Amino acid sequence: AQKVTQAQTEISVVEKEDVTLDCVYETRDTTYYLFWYKQPPSGELVFLIRRNSFDEQNEISGRYSWNFQKSTSSFNFTITASQVVDSAVYFCALSEANTGNQFYFGTGTSLTVIP
Amino acid sequence: DVKVTQSSRYLVKRTGEKVFLECVQDMDHENMFWYRQDPGLGLRLIYFSYDVKMKEKGDIPEGYSVSREKKERFSLILESASTNQTSMYLCASSGNFRGAYNEQFFGPGTRLTVL
Repeated sequence: AQKVTQAQTEISVVEKEDVTLDCVYETRDTTYYLFWYKQPPSGELVFLIRRNSFDEQNEISGRYSWNFQKSTSSFNFTITASQVVDSAVYFCALSEANTGNQFYFGTGTSLTVIP
Repeated sequence: DVKVTQSSRYLVKRTGEKVFLECVQDMDHENMFWYRQDPGLGLRLIYFSYDVKMKEKGDIPEGYSVSREKKERFSLILESASTNQTSMYLCASSGNFRGAYNEQFFGPGTRLTVL
């Protein structure tokens, strides 16, 4: 069974629109971590954020914000006022304390921001 | 800055050839990972290593082997390349100190084409 689901395969938005990327996860561990990575066209995955299972506070970093809700097992990512440079593939990932350092990645969401 | 480097960005090989993909990290990380990335399938873990000379199978190890003779270097070997191994290969590393908390750092990827 897929531990991390990113149901949106591709999204296109016009520049300056807001966009939310969905991530739903599945785990039985009580201690786990959720991550978002960005993969620009150059190919290298870039770490964006980590959240642990005990901290449900939302986080904002500039135009990026993350909404972690344990009740719905979701960790969604919103980009406000999107820009062309936000065009990339975004991956959500899960790691579990009981399985150590292994990551479980979602299948990714390809975001295209149209100028 | 953590640096993960991969020996080639692009590689073209023939069916049946033995292929070596090299990955080097400079942060003294204990953990190293090899993934392949295919459209619609996200990142799938091939092999990982927690220590020198140690290896663990990931989700799709068939047709691959690995070698870790030195802490900083993790090699992926395709014993007899086949066309269905045409893919993007990503190497990653992470520290061990905080277990599942640690983010993985990725190399730029090697796009392998098997003809």
